[in-house]
Amino acid sequence: GAGVSQSPRYKVAKRGQDVALRCDPISGHVSLFWYQQALGQGPEFLTYFQNEAQLDKSGLPSDRFFAERPEGSVSTLKIQRTQQEDSAVYLCASSLWGNHPYEQYFGPGTRLTVT
Amino acid sequence: AQTVTQSQPEMSVQEAETVTLSCTYDTSESDYYLFWYKQPPSRQMILVIRQEAYKQQNATENRFSVNFQKAAKSFSLKISDSQLGDAAMYFCAYSSGTYKYIFGTGTRLKVLA
Repeated sequence: GAGVSQSPRYKVAKRGQDVALRCDPISGHVSLFWYQQALGQGPEFLTYFQNEAQLDKSGLPSDRFFAERPEGSVSTLKIQRTQQEDSAVYLCASSLWGNHPYEQYFGPGTRLTVT
Repeated sequence: AQTVTQSQPEMSVQEAETVTLSCTYDTSESDYYLFWYKQPPSRQMILVIRQEAYKQQNATENRFSVNFQKAAKSFSLKISDSQLGDAAMYFCAYSSGTYKYIFGTGTRLKVLA
């Protein structure tokens, strides 16, 4: 079956531009996660959705970062007024709550470069 | 706060040989989950193996096995009969069972032909 997909795979933005990153989770997966992976580092948690409810946004680095999942499936991570420090790979993951407990399935990520 | 430490930034192994990647973690929880993920250059994170803390038996998946030492808070990954396709970044991850993963900084594994 289809895995987690993300688009675009690569995004180049000029400093100050707004960007939107899309995540299509595995169909039927209740939980959705966003992570930020800086170069040479492990992924760091940004935010978590259970269906359409954003239950944890403690990892979002600033109020320029905003995530939504309005219908409980596709999610969008939006970054306003991008800065160079936002350059990273943004990973999305989904999980089928209660089936394979706590196993997250990852997408290929979006590499964001802010120039 | 929970932390995950991978002290080996890079490891090399000869094809067909065995290599062990180290991971230590810190937590005050008694029930949690530990994972090893593989990230090839394509960036797709792939689950290699999972260990539930309440299970004393070490998890095994084909050529991959773990040495889970709960008291020492150690969770190492052993890869037997290494193959060229095993070359990747390997991340150790911790989850307290709620939702979010805490990842280590990764170990780059090189497999030499």
